[in-house]
Amino acid sequence: NAGVTQTPKFQVLKTGQSMTLQCAQDMNHEYMSWYRQDPGMGLRLIHYSVGAGITDQGEVPNGYNVSRSTTEDFPLRLLSAAPSQTSVYFCASSPTPATNEKLFFGSGTQLSVL
Amino acid sequence: GENVEQHPSTLSVQEGDSAVIKCTYSDSASNYFPWYKQELGKRPQLIIDIRSNVGEKKDQRIAVTLNKTAKHFSLHITETQPEDSAVYFCAASKPGGGADGLTFGKGTHLIIQP
Repeated sequence: NAGVTQTPKFQVLKTGQSMTLQCAQDMNHEYMSWYRQDPGMGLRLIHYSVGAGITDQGEVPNGYNVSRSTTEDFPLRLLSAAPSQTSVYFCASSPTPATNEKLFFGSGTQLSVL
Repeated sequence: GENVEQHPSTLSVQEGDSAVIKCTYSDSASNYFPWYKQELGKRPQLIIDIRSNVGEKKDQRIAVTLNKTAKHFSLHITETQPEDSAVYFCAASKPGGGADGLTFGKGTHLIIQP
């Protein structure tokens, strides 16, 4: 099993550009989520999904969209990038249905918005 | 929502000594308390977790204690080794997960001095 796979690892955007961060897991986990990690701030939940076709907002959802068309994939879209979205983004999945317990994290995407 | 405070932000100990990281939480409904370790440039990884119906849990050199009355929990690492150097995050979660289901502390940078 590859676990949780994120692409790209690094990305530089200009203000106003859009992009999609990809996340895929091969562990058949129903629960998937996106976090952002900023220095001194810990990890903050952006969006999460408890299964295909179901998504919901986390603590900091503004400026981000998600979709969950399959169990495996959970892409994160930045609609119009802003410098405040410069961060490290982690996708995570959980083997426990409808919970965020025992999270498996991807390797992260370091995003810079100029 | 839940608020998790973590102390200290930086902890330096001599190799072989013990390290203790403390967290407090605000929501008495929280019942799941994981600890994640993040090495420099890597993904967070779950190292130990505890539920509110258990006061203490051990796994080799690491242990977690929980005081529900005081709403605090701690990570104990004994016989510290160089590979224990990392940032450690505590978190608290209420039943069922959800938008505010898992709240992270801001992290403790543990430095093991040779």
